[in-house]
Amino acid sequence: KQEVTQIPAALSVPEGENLVLNCSFTDSAIYNLQWFRQDPGKGLTSLLLIQSSQREQTSGRLNASLDKSSGRSTLYIAASQPGDSATYLCAVRPNDSWGKLQFGAGTQVVVTP
Amino acid sequence: DAGVIQSPRHEVTEMGQEVTLRCKPISGHDYLFWYRQTMMRGLELLIYFNNNVPIDDSGMPEDRFSAKMPNASFSTLKIQPSEPRDSAVYFCASSPGTGEAFFGQGTRLTVV
Repeated sequence: KQEVTQIPAALSVPEGENLVLNCSFTDSAIYNLQWFRQDPGKGLTSLLLIQSSQREQTSGRLNASLDKSSGRSTLYIAASQPGDSATYLCAVRPNDSWGKLQFGAGTQVVVTP
Repeated sequence: DAGVIQSPRHEVTEMGQEVTLRCKPISGHDYLFWYRQTMMRGLELLIYFNNNVPIDDSGMPEDRFSAKMPNASFSTLKIQPSEPRDSAVYFCASSPGTGEAFFGQGTRLTVV
């Protein structure tokens, strides 16, 4: 059974520092991995989608890497801002069950001014 | 496109009542998902559809829960009868095949 883990559960950094968020998964047979952001009381906003054949994806200050063989993905957010404060979740889509987007518990990020 | 649209945004109901949550997926997306989010259990997949057909409902907690997708632009999640432990935020999401999944804003359900 696929298990998705995100460490740390919470993170607080001063504005301007780079953020590094980790996601690990136990079964490397995945089709893709997606990073989301969730603000309190809101839905999930898609940030980046990495296909299993890709090593990384970039969008603005965000960069996500994927090492499928070791079951890890890392989300980097450069030059953090208070507006980056949110919960970040990763989710994997297994090869054998495309519909079952399996989520981690998330990392709660606070960026202090 | 306006994104995935869910209604209502908030629902407060008494135990034993029927609750119906609604979802309009993004046009052209052939996968639709229903998730439930709680503090204790995080995001749980309840059921998903492909081309309006339920593929996997193993996450539906009990027979009190049912979901339908009568056409490509509409889905419902029904709880009958509702119980206090059903209180949670229910999300609908859609995706084009195995592509990027997009979520709605959720329905916050409170059963008293």
